[in-house]
Amino acid sequence: EVQLVESGGGLVKPGGSLRLSCAASGFTFSSNSMNWVRQAPGKGLEWVSSISSSSTYIYYADSVKGRFTISRDNAKNSLYLQMNSLRAEDTAVYYCARSPGGGFWSGYYFDYWGQGTLVTVSS
Amino acid sequence: DIVMTQSPDSLAVSLGERATINCKSSQSVLYSSNNKNYLAWYQQKPGQPPKLLIYWASTRESGVPDRFSASGSGTDFTLTISSLQAEDVAVYYCQQYYSSPFTFGPGTKVDI
Repeated sequence: EVQLVESGGGLVKPGGSLRLSCAASGFTFSSNSMNWVRQAPGKGLEWVSSISSSSTYIYYADSVKGRFTISRDNAKNSLYLQMNSLRAEDTAVYYCARSPGGGFWSGYYFDYWGQGTLVTVSS
Repeated sequence: DIVMTQSPDSLAVSLGERATINCKSSQSVLYSSNNKNYLAWYQQKPGQPPKLLIYWASTRESGVPDRFSASGSGTDFTLTISSLQAEDVAVYYCQQYYSSPFTFGPGTKVDI
């Protein structure tokens, strides 16, 4: 059974940093692209970042480019999101999501999602 | 960036009736090299993560009831729930994965 478990969320002050983690199990992690998608309270879904299976291709939303860094450790079956210079508008539930294949030809859609971790940016 | 729009914003449908949601992309998401539309549909119920319903614009994900169907190509897409059930009350999102940023539509809320 595919499982994605996010951790690392919490309350942080504006300008602060946070590192989110996603522990994956139930599939061959190194074969799949992985993604972060967020949802502000009461709002819609916003794609944040994607990383291909071998980390060759990395993509960011303009809203986080230069502040957030996605990475993965295939040996540890883990996905990360380093978030720096956090702003109030980064407040959201952050979901870790799997894509079915390793890159563009398989499609960066999301077939499995974690339960999410809440990040609150407030003074 | 490809902008995704959805209509309507919300709709109320009687049990057993048809619900239709439209999604439009600001540019084509049909990739000519493989003739695939890079478009997915998701369902999100309150307090839950989204669930994949449809990918490649019309391919139903395993386990999704066949009352859910989708069609369209290029820039115009439709998700249809043929006979609405109580458990289908949710917000539905389309998403393009043709090019980064992999944008979502704003969502359509479906109620009874």
